[in-house]
Amino acid sequence: DAKTTQPPSMDCAEGRAANLPCNHSTISGNEYVYWYRQIHSQGPQYIIHGLKNNETNEMASLIITEDRKSSTLILPHATLRDTAVYYCIVRVGTGANSKLTFGKGITLSVRP
Amino acid sequence: DAGVIQSPRHEVTEMGQEVTLRCKPISGHNSLFWYRQTMMRGLELLIYFNNNVPIDDSGMPEDRFSAKMPNASFSTLKIQPSEPRDSAVYFCASSLAGTQGGGEQYFGPGTRLTVT
Repeated sequence: DAKTTQPPSMDCAEGRAANLPCNHSTISGNEYVYWYRQIHSQGPQYIIHGLKNNETNEMASLIITEDRKSSTLILPHATLRDTAVYYCIVRVGTGANSKLTFGKGITLSVRP
Repeated sequence: DAGVIQSPRHEVTEMGQEVTLRCKPISGHNSLFWYRQTMMRGLELLIYFNNNVPIDDSGMPEDRFSAKMPNASFSTLKIQPSEPRDSAVYFCASSLAGTQGGGEQYFGPGTRLTVT
């Protein structure tokens, strides 16, 4: 079972920041939070991951609360091509004995 | 890098036939994952390998499904006999598993299977 809960959908205007929330209240101390997205008819695409600290890469920023019970994925300047299903996942296990359990995700619609 | 390669991209078969899906992971990756995606059940992990050894096959639906990884650059998922309820998109993903974080998975384009 997925250890995360996400709202089913949200939208934002093109050019604005998209803030996608995720709750993971049962996360354990050594479990990472991963974000993937899936654009229609394509395979899921890795975005970013983190443990405790906030992370940023060329695609997005990940903000994790101090108690680690929730996180927010930020797309700073959303474009129409960012319309996709975004999955927040708690990675269970470590190293070779780890796996991802995908939930339903949140459907982000970016409007012109 | 070519990314994860899957073949065929589309497969249409009749109920009862054997179906073999193929995957070539990214060179240098040591973990390989097979997923199935349907509208009803979402994206489900079927099985994953590390260094060519199956680690967890608890997601394999039943004995009609089998997966092999004979070497680091090739894996197959076989369904025999196939049934209409097996119709789905099957994804293969690979990663470089580490002990801390990392391990981000890279997905192939998927094989869309239709069983009539």
